[in-house]
Amino acid sequence: NAGVTQTPKFQVLKTGQSMTLQCAQDMNHEYMSWYRQDPGMGLRLIHYSVGAGITDQGEVPNGYNVSRSTTEDFPLRLLSAAPSQTSVYFCASSYSTGGTDTQYFGPGTRLTVL
Amino acid sequence: GQQVMQIPQYQHVQEGEDFTTYCNSSTTLSNIQWYKQRPGGHPVFLIQLVKSGEVKKQKRLTFQFGEAKKNSSLHITATQTTDVGTYFCAGGTSYGKLTFGQGTILTVHP
Repeated sequence: NAGVTQTPKFQVLKTGQSMTLQCAQDMNHEYMSWYRQDPGMGLRLIHYSVGAGITDQGEVPNGYNVSRSTTEDFPLRLLSAAPSQTSVYFCASSYSTGGTDTQYFGPGTRLTVL
Repeated sequence: GQQVMQIPQYQHVQEGEDFTTYCNSSTTLSNIQWYKQRPGGHPVFLIQLVKSGEVKKQKRLTFQFGEAKKNSSLHITATQTTDVGTYFCAGGTSYGKLTFGQGTILTVHP
């Protein structure tokens, strides 16, 4: 199993550009989530999904969209990139709800917005 | 909303010294999870504690969950250079929410 995969690993955007961060898992996990990691802030939840077709907002959802058309994929879309979105983005999945089950993290996407 | 505070933010130790990081929640937790992130890497699950007052050990690592299920600690005995990284606690609630602490960055000087 590849586990949780993320692409790209690095990305540089200009302010106002849009892009999609890809996330896929091959463990048949129902729960998937996106976090951003900033120095001194820990991991903050952006959006999450409890299954295909179901998504919900986390702690810091503004400026991001998600969809979950399949169990395996959970892409994160930046609609109009801003310098404040410079961060490291991690996708994670777990067998059941995020609060009670081990989270498996992808390798991360390091995003810089100029 | 639920807050999980973790201290200290940074810890520098000499190899062989002990290390402890503390985690406190503003609400009662159903469980506490601990993760380790190596420099440049991604968080990796270490352990989950569920029971009040629970203590678990993994070699030189000792994890505790408070009696009130609102605090937890991770203690490393005799640190090694391989212990460097950021240690995160994450508090889980019965309705499925997981909130991460800010993390403690551990540096070990040989």
